[in-house]
Amino acid sequence: AQTVTQSQPEMSVQEAETVTLSCTYDTSESDYYLFWYKQPPSRQMILVIRQEAYKQQNATENRFSVNFQKAAKSFSLKISDSQLGDAAMYFCAYRTIIQGAQKLVFGQGTRLTINP
Amino acid sequence: KAGVTQTPRYLIKTRGQQVTLSCSPISGHRSVSWYQQTPGQGLQFLFEYFSETQRNKGNFPGRFSGRQFSNSRSEMNVSTLELGDSALYLCASSDMRQGSYEQYFGPGTRLTVT
Repeated sequence: AQTVTQSQPEMSVQEAETVTLSCTYDTSESDYYLFWYKQPPSRQMILVIRQEAYKQQNATENRFSVNFQKAAKSFSLKISDSQLGDAAMYFCAYRTIIQGAQKLVFGQGTRLTINP
Repeated sequence: KAGVTQTPRYLIKTRGQQVTLSCSPISGHRSVSWYQQTPGQGLQFLFEYFSETQRNKGNFPGRFSGRQFSNSRSEMNVSTLELGDSALYLCASSDMRQGSYEQYFGPGTRLTVT
């Protein structure tokens, strides 16, 4: 079974600085999708960025980028120029498909605090 | 397009009762998935529906069930509620067409069982 591990329960960063959140996963599949979701205090899960495993190029969305290391099964999220609105729980998720049915497997989350 | 909507947003029930939660996906999305979020267990997959068929189910007892209607709206039902069922229940929809596999989440339903 696929598992996702986020080893940093909490992280903090100064506003305008850069922070990296770690995520590792375990799978025997060769083709899959990885995601980072953000959950602010409002509890709404917001998709931040996605990565297809078959793509070698790391995904980027404005200030958010990933470092995808397929062989190491590592998928870290880098947030540049941190803003107060980035404060939230961040979840790493692995999308698995079983006989056409999909599900997301989530890590335990990292709580990110932005210090002004 | 309007996002995923869930009703009700908050619910308080007593042990032994049953509850029905509703989810309306983004227009055009045919896949609806449900997740349970608790402080202890984190985010856990409940089930996925596609074209009115349950395609996948997580490791939850039979008290948890769901269905999907022809307009892709979905409901989940929990019977004989237990204190441990208190959680945030999240619904997510996805397009499932080639290259569109992201799941978009609703605001959730906060269920409290007393």
